[in-house]
Amino acid sequence: EAGVAQSPRYKIIEKRQSVAFWCNPISGHATLYWYQQILGQGPKLLIQFQNNGVVDDSQLPKDRFSAERLKGVDSTLKIQPAKLEDSAVYLCASSPRGLGGSEQFFGPGTRLTVL
Amino acid sequence: KQEVTQIPAALSVPEGENLVLNCSFTDSAIYNLQWFRQDPGKGLTSLLLIQSSQREQTSGRLNASLDKSSGRSTLYIAASQPGDSATYLCAVSFSADKLIFGTGTRLQVFP
Repeated sequence: EAGVAQSPRYKIIEKRQSVAFWCNPISGHATLYWYQQILGQGPKLLIQFQNNGVVDDSQLPKDRFSAERLKGVDSTLKIQPAKLEDSAVYLCASSPRGLGGSEQFFGPGTRLTVL
Repeated sequence: KQEVTQIPAALSVPEGENLVLNCSFTDSAIYNLQWFRQDPGKGLTSLLLIQSSQREQTSGRLNASLDKSSGRSTLYIAASQPGDSATYLCAVSFSADKLIFGTGTRLQVFP
């Protein structure tokens, strides 16, 4: 069974530029998550999708971050414009049912550096 | 506020030692608790998932326990090896599928 795929693996941009990350979850997984992990910290949930609907985006900085999950499969996370403090690893995860008790499976992450 | 705390932040031990990593959380009403491993520059690998109705889970040399009443979980690593060197993260699901992570324990096992 293929795992969660993410691209690109690394990205370096200047502040105020825009960037987009892509995630392909495990086939058949209904729930998809985007996390932000700043160096030295644990991952923090940015947004959770159930199929193609948003379940929780309470910690997403909506003035600059946006995410979509068209057709309930792949997802993209965009930052526009980027700030220095956005430098982090962006992790995508998926789980089968999206109900309490489901195990989450993580992709390798995208390491973003904002200069 | 729902929080997850991990102690110690870092640990360096010689090969062969048995280790205990600690995780504490602020609310006993949880769905489940997961322990993850993270290697430098890599994503998270799930090690063990303990449902709220369970007391412990085992996988190979790893054993995780859960005590909801005291808000604690421990990850026990038996006979540590250099290949166990990584950061270990504890994550708690306080609501359906929303994981709150601790800051991790960075483990180094030297030969």
